Amino acid sequence: EVQLVQSGAEVKKPGESLKISCKGSGYSFTSYWIGWVRQMPGKGLEWMGIIYPGDSDTRYSPSFQGQVTISADKSISTAYLQWSSLKASDTAMYYCARRDYGGKWLDYWGQGTLVTVSS
Amino acid sequence: EIVLTQSPGTLSLSPGERATLSCRASQSVSSNYLAWYQQNPGQAPRLLIYGASGRATGIPDRFSGSGSGTDFTLTISRLEPEDFAVYYCQQYGSSLFTFGPGTKVEIK
Repeated sequence: EVQLVQSGAEVKKPGESLKISCKGSGYSFTSYWIGWVRQMPGKGLEWMGIIYPGDSDTRYSPSFQGQVTISADKSISTAYLQWSSLKASDTAMYYCARRDYGGKWLDYWGQGTLVTVSS
Repeated sequence: EIVLTQSPGTLSLSPGERATLSCRASQSVSSNYLAWYQQNPGQAPRLLIYGASGRATGIPDRFSGSGSGTDFTLTISRLEPEDFAVYYCQQYGSSLFTFGPGTKVEIK
């Protein structure tokens, strides 16, 4: 069974750094792209970027380029999303999702990680 | 960058009724690159339709997708209680994914 399990909720202060994770299982982790999607409170879905764990090829949405870093450790089948300096506006739910093999859609999703940034 | 517009913003219907949701793109989208997702409150999105008309694994046949070019439609033939949710279309182009703003299907 394909599963993406994300790390737990985080509460941080502005200016702090953060790295959240997404662990894949039940499939060949290195063969599928993993994307990250933001959902701000009460709002829609925003695609942030995507990584291919096999060679760490990474693409970013222009809206998020330079704001976050996406990485992966294929030895432990885990993808990451990190911030070097959080802002209050980073408060949101963050989802990881697997891109279908050869397709252009996201077929399996993690349960989400809620990030709250507040002083 | 292709922009997706969904209409209506909110659809108020009763269980058993038919729902028709629209997704319009600012430029032509390959049908293979258009998908629909359902998101229930407090849950992660779920893939419903891929390639404009293919049903994802486990999705009931009351859900169907159609369309091409710039106009795509998600149809729910008879609404069940669990179908009252928010629906997003998504397209892929130039290595980028884009989501529409969503349509909320609410109980009338």
